Order: sequence, then structure tokens, then C-alpha cells
Amino acid sequence: AQSVAQPEDQVNVAEGNPLTVKCTYSVSGNPYLFWYVQYPNRGLQFLLKYITGDNLVKGSYGFEAEFNKSQTSFHLKKPSALVSDSALYFCAVRDVNSGYSTLTFGKGTMLLVSP
Amino acid sequence: EPEVTQTPSHQVTQMGQEVILRCVPISNHLYFYWYRQILGQKVEFLVSFYNNEISEKSEIFDDQFSVERPDGSNFTLKIRSTKLEDSAMYFCASSEGFATGDSGYTFGSGTRLTVV
Repeated sequence: AQSVAQPEDQVNVAEGNPLTVKCTYSVSGNPYLFWYVQYPNRGLQFLLKYITGDNLVKGSYGFEAEFNKSQTSFHLKKPSALVSDSALYFCAVRDVNSGYSTLTFGKGTMLLVSP
Repeated sequence: EPEVTQTPSHQVTQMGQEVILRCVPISNHLYFYWYRQILGQKVEFLVSFYNNEISEKSEIFDDQFSVERPDGSNFTLKIRSTKLEDSAMYFCASSEGFATGDSGYTFGSGTRLTVV
């Protein structure tokens, strides 16, 4: 079985400061990892993914995430937060070896960036 | 950029009624999915669909749920007899493939179902 933990319900950061949204995962095989963002009354928008290769992946809107296999983590980061980054962020995992394409999502972390 | 389109954006129905939620996946995608998000909770997998049949389903997807691809473009989720606890945002998604390197899913903007 695969699972995702996002330990923080909410992250508060001031505009211009760096931000980190945490994610840890559990899969029996190798993971595909994703970050999605959800703005109010909108669907889930793809931010970035880790499939293989470089552990640091860069995505949309200046976000990046680092895959750490030993810590089974995939934390989302941005060097300088914007007020417009305020949204709900979901980490998701898929087990490459499971034979299924199902994504398992974390419960989400609300990011609030203050001016 | 290609989009997954869902209709309606919001549907209110009485308990016990049947509802059909509609989705138009991206045209060259082969895998289709329904997820739901109860207010304030995480996104939960319901069902995946490939080659005109269900490939995987969760415990949530019981006998009151069904999916169909009635033509070459639409993908529908039917709830036969709605319950109050079916109230949620339902997301349709599609993906190009299943194999290594796929970019995950493209999600629609969702249908908010309210059962009263």
C-alpha cells in the first residue's frame, strides 16, 4: 500500500521569505512523486514531478522539490514566496511497481503568504 | 493548453436521486479517473478506466457508482441513489499513459455535488 503524509495543516510565511511544505511518503517499490496546487474553487494544477534522475526537480511558478530517498521525503520549496502562492498544496505518490496508475494524495497543506 | 472539462460545475440533488457527472478528457489520453474531495478532507481515489473497462477501484466505489464512456469523448460518473455523505467535489482526470515518464494527471476543475 502507498501513503503520503503532509504533517502541517497550514504553513505561514511572509512574502519574500523562503517557504517549505513538507511531504513524506511510503511505497513498497519505487515512487513517482508529484505536487499539485489547488486555488479556491479550482481544480488541481500540476506543479512538478519526480520520476527518476536528479533529486532536485524544478516546476512551475518557481517551485522546486527535493527527493530524498533515505528520508522518504519530497518537500516543496520556493526561495522567495509571493502572496499569490497562497493556496492548498497536495503531495501525491504512485508506486512504480504496483501495476496501477492510481495516485495517493496527502491531506493537503494550506500555504498562507502574508504581505 | 489542453484541458479536462467537467460539467456541471455545481449540482444540487435530493437524497435518493440519481446524478450523472460529466467529463471530457484530453483527446489523446487513454486513462481516465474519478477522484473526490469531501470538504476539508484529502483527495480520494474512486476509479480508473482504461480500454473501456474499470482497471482499478477503491472501497468508496461501491455498487451505487458506475462509470461509462458512452462515446469517443465523454466519460461519466453515475451515482444511482445519492446519500448525504456523497456531497463532495468530484474531480475527473486523464493521463496520457501509464508507463515511465508520464507527467501525472490533468485534472478538471471539478463538479461540486451537494446532496440535500
